[in-house]
Amino acid sequence: EAGVAQSPRYKIIEKRQSVAFWCNPISGHATLYWYQQILGQGPKLLIQFQNNGVVDDSQLPKDRFSAERLKGVDSTLKIQPAKLEDSAVYLCASSLAGGREQYFGPGTRLTVT
Amino acid sequence: QKEVEQNSGPLSVPEGAIASLNCTYSDRGSQSFFWYRQYSGKSPELIMSIYSNGDKEDGRFTAQLNKASQYVSLLIRDSQPSDSATYLCAVNNMRFGAGTRLTVKP
Repeated sequence: EAGVAQSPRYKIIEKRQSVAFWCNPISGHATLYWYQQILGQGPKLLIQFQNNGVVDDSQLPKDRFSAERLKGVDSTLKIQPAKLEDSAVYLCASSLAGGREQYFGPGTRLTVT
Repeated sequence: QKEVEQNSGPLSVPEGAIASLNCTYSDRGSQSFFWYRQYSGKSPELIMSIYSNGDKEDGRFTAQLNKASQYVSLLIRDSQPSDSATYLCAVNNMRFGAGTRLTVKP
């Protein structure tokens, strides 16, 4: 069974530029999560989707971050414009349902200079 | 008060010993609890899930949950150097602690 796929694996951009990350969850997993993990910290939930609907986006900085999961399968997370403090690893995870075991993708390491 | 709290460590144990990792949470209504292992530069990997009070064992790992005390722990028996990693506690699979760094010394 294929795991969670993410791309790109690494990205370096300058502040004020925009960037987009892509995630394809495990087949059949209805719930998809995007996390931000800053070095030395635990993952912080940015947004949770159930199929193509948003369950929780309370910690998503909506002035600069956006996410979509239009067909209830893959998802994109966008940052526009990026700030220095956005430098982090962006993790995508999926689960069969909310509150159940999650499986993480390899992550995208973003560096904002 | 943080939603999920863990001792940051580092926790160092000798090979073959029992490593004990602890986690407390603030939301009394929480229903599901998870432990993940994260090697440096890698993404979190699920180790255990626990949903009801008591102990749950899986190989060398035992998760313990006490909802009245809002406390969940992970015991690793016969610790191996390959267990050296950061261990993350997650509540309702959305709120993570900062993690405890474990080092197992040969």
